[in-house]
Amino acid sequence: EAGVAQSPRYKIIEKRQSVAFWCNPISGHATLYWYQQILGQGPKLLIQFQNNGVVDDSQLPKDRFSAERLKGVDSTLKIQPAKLEDSAVYLCASSPVAYEQYFGPGTRLTVT
Amino acid sequence: DAKTTQPTSMDCAEGRAANLPCNHSTISGNEYVYWYRQIHSQGPQYIIHGLKNNETNEMASLIITEDRKSSTLILPHATLRDTAVYYCIVRLLNNNDMRFGAGTRLTVKP
Repeated sequence: EAGVAQSPRYKIIEKRQSVAFWCNPISGHATLYWYQQILGQGPKLLIQFQNNGVVDDSQLPKDRFSAERLKGVDSTLKIQPAKLEDSAVYLCASSPVAYEQYFGPGTRLTVT
Repeated sequence: DAKTTQPTSMDCAEGRAANLPCNHSTISGNEYVYWYRQIHSQGPQYIIHGLKNNETNEMASLIITEDRKSSTLILPHATLRDTAVYYCIVRLLNNNDMRFGAGTRLTVKP
């Protein structure tokens, strides 16, 4: 079975620019997550979708981050404008209704 | 969710068993213990989970103490490809909000 796909794998932007990440979850997985992983730390949940509805976005910096999940399948995460502290790996994961999560390879963002 | 405490790093000789400890003294009765690992430049990978009984699968064994305040992940014959950061997480079965700590960086040496 195909895994979680993410693109791009790497992105370098200047501060105050905008950036978007794309995620295609495993087919049939109702739940989709976006995590931020800063170097040397564990992943931190940003937002969780159940189908195309938001379940939890309490840790999403809403002044600059936004996410959507179109038709309950693919998802995009956007940062506008980016700050230096947004440099991190952005991980997408999906799961069936419950139980273990399956992670994609991540997008490494560098903000200069 | 309960918090966990893990050693920052560990070494293990190739072919030997790797025993990774985790303390979760505030775990509640209906919280499960989950283990994930993250190999360099990859996303985390599920390994195993359990409630109170010991569990074993093709990747590892999970030993949970009787009082459930700590657990040990065992990789029976570590290989160089097991070098990774290992995360111990406690969570409710149907709560998908996993709180990752810093994990244990396991280095398997030849």
